[in-house]
Amino acid sequence: DSGVTQTPKHLITATGQRVTLRCSPRSGDLSVYWYQQSLDQGLQFLIQYYNGEERAKGNILERFSAQQFPDLHSELNLSSLELGDSALYFCASSPRTSGSGMETQYFGPGTRLLVL
Amino acid sequence: QQQVKQSPQSLIVQKGGISIINCAYENTAFDYFPWYQQFPGKGPALLIAIRPDVSEKKEGRFTISFNKSAKQFSLHIMDSQPGDSATYFCAASRGYGQNFVFGPGTRLSVLP
Repeated sequence: DSGVTQTPKHLITATGQRVTLRCSPRSGDLSVYWYQQSLDQGLQFLIQYYNGEERAKGNILERFSAQQFPDLHSELNLSSLELGDSALYFCASSPRTSGSGMETQYFGPGTRLLVL
Repeated sequence: QQQVKQSPQSLIVQKGGISIINCAYENTAFDYFPWYQQFPGKGPALLIAIRPDVSEKKEGRFTISFNKSAKQFSLHIMDSQPGDSATYFCAASRGYGQNFVFGPGTRLSVLP
């Protein structure tokens, strides 16, 4: 158990809908990262937040957005869902943004999203 | 520049054998190279990591070999066990506020 929690575990929805995925980082971790994992794309970095502020952006679509709240939990909002958005969405946390590149990321169990 | 290449895509090894997974990168600014292990239905878990100032790091049956000049690093699993069957991802990151770049993964199957 990494100490990172994600809810819900599974989510089934229809195209065009909007969903919110939630992540609680490990106690004391300030950074939260969101990843998308699909069969053909591997692990794709979406976005990073540090202590409430956006810190780095990866291959995140404009239909997707995220935020980190004062209690450090984070939410990933996916809107106008398409079939291709079906994937595993992982949240990871680390103690702080990397100053030396040595920060370990701890991954949650993921949310499996199925868009029908 | 941001890519990390990983091979092989899949690997089948007999129990007790050595599993070797290779990764290569282009961006010389990368300064942290972790390996993650992922079991089906679970999130990736850090296995072992190395900095570019050392050429090898060993933890139990797992060893990372790092070749800075060739911009390559590899994971060796000695005495591979069926319980090692998982997908392995190499990754690289750099500096302050930078994200991790993951390789595409290697699916390892260790036969009993």
